[in-house]
Amino acid sequence: GAVVSQHPSWVICKSGTSVKIECRSLDFQATTMFWYRQFPKQSLMLMATSNEGSKATYEQGVEKDKFLINHASLTLSTLTVTSAHPEDSSFYICSASISGVQETQYFGPGTRLLVL
Amino acid sequence: AQKVTQAQTEISVVEKEDVTLDCVYETRDTTYYLFWYKQPPSGELVFLIRRNSFDEQNEISGRYSWNFQKSTSSFNFTITASQVVDSAVYFCALINNQGGKLIFGQGTELSVKP
Repeated sequence: GAVVSQHPSWVICKSGTSVKIECRSLDFQATTMFWYRQFPKQSLMLMATSNEGSKATYEQGVEKDKFLINHASLTLSTLTVTSAHPEDSSFYICSASISGVQETQYFGPGTRLLVL
Repeated sequence: AQKVTQAQTEISVVEKEDVTLDCVYETRDTTYYLFWYKQPPSGELVFLIRRNSFDEQNEISGRYSWNFQKSTSSFNFTITASQVVDSAVYFCALINNQGGKLIFGQGTELSVKP
């Protein structure tokens, strides 16, 4: 149980294009979903927290107009990187929890984004 | 402020050795939760254990065991008879009961050589 999927697993795009990443909880309903960014050899950095049907809460320093998050249902959250640039290249990983922010987060397999 | 410290950046052992990954945390909350996650080279974070601050019992799951000591604010993770498949980055994490964010340590990269 508690499986989270992400799609796509790999994406290469040209600078200036937008990229959408999907995060799905496959066998449970996720009240809260989280988006993280991870640079090589570093820990995870929380970008934003989203609750179904409401606006995402972004961490300080994360541009909400750059990283659009939509949590349309209890099983799906999307992250759109708008007008991507090479510095946006990173490993993006989502997680989902069943009943709140203090509950166990189950992580997706991550998406590697390379912007040329 | 909350903080998680994993002082060991990299550990290298030979298969079948026991290895302990250290985790020290800081929090002013009385109710909090501690976690360990495994991140193999594929990238996915695999949940290993969750422990609340009121449960100091040590836990064993197969070759994995955890030692939670509030007196020293530590939540150490031991792998017995390590295997090559145990090679990964291991993260210790902390969250409080007020809905704060999950605080990760810097991770310990474990390399188990045959």
